[in-house]
Amino acid sequence: AQSVTQPDIHITVSEGASLELRCNYSYGATPYLFWYVQSPGQGLQLLLKYFSGDTLVQGIKGFEAEFKRSQSSFNLRKPSVHWSDAAEYFCAVGRYSGGGADGLTFGKGTHLIIQP
Amino acid sequence: EAEVAQSPRYKITEKSQAVAFWCDPISGHATLYWYRQILGQGPELLVQFQDESVVDDSQLPKDRFSAERLKGVDSTLKIQPAELGDSAMYLCASSPLTGISSYGYTFGSGTRLTVV
Repeated sequence: AQSVTQPDIHITVSEGASLELRCNYSYGATPYLFWYVQSPGQGLQLLLKYFSGDTLVQGIKGFEAEFKRSQSSFNLRKPSVHWSDAAEYFCAVGRYSGGGADGLTFGKGTHLIIQP
Repeated sequence: EAEVAQSPRYKITEKSQAVAFWCDPISGHATLYWYRQILGQGPELLVQFQDESVVDDSQLPKDRFSAERLKGVDSTLKIQPAELGDSAMYLCASSPLTGISSYGYTFGSGTRLTVV
């Protein structure tokens, strides 16, 4: 069974500082990996996704993530955070076959706090 | 930009009552998912439809939950009777059958259920 681990429940970063959110996955085949962001009481917004090819993926809002197969990791990074980045961040793994896309397995999330 | 529509946005119900949520996926998306997100946790898949057929309902508490997608378009998730532990955000998502690399799973804004 596939699983996702986000080791950090909370992270506090100063505005303008760099950010890295960790994600480790367990999956028996080539995974499809996603990062979503969720503001309080809202749905999930896709930040970026990895299916194949270049292991460094660029997303929206200045985020990027790097897929490292040897470490089973897909960490999210941003060089300089803004106060508006404060939210809950979820890493997820999925599978796509000829029959369609299976439901995603999510991590428990990392709550990002931005200090002024 | 196409969206997944969900209603109602918020629902308060008394325990033992019936409650229903509605989801309209992005036009043309064959696959529809219902997720439950308990406060402070990541979403968990409840049921997955491929057109009008259930593909995966292994995590759906079938004694009280039911889901249908009669014409393969919109979907309804029902809880009867509701219990206090059902208080959560219920998220709907959709994805296309083919061309997944061009898309991500698209989530609706969710229905926040409070059982009192």
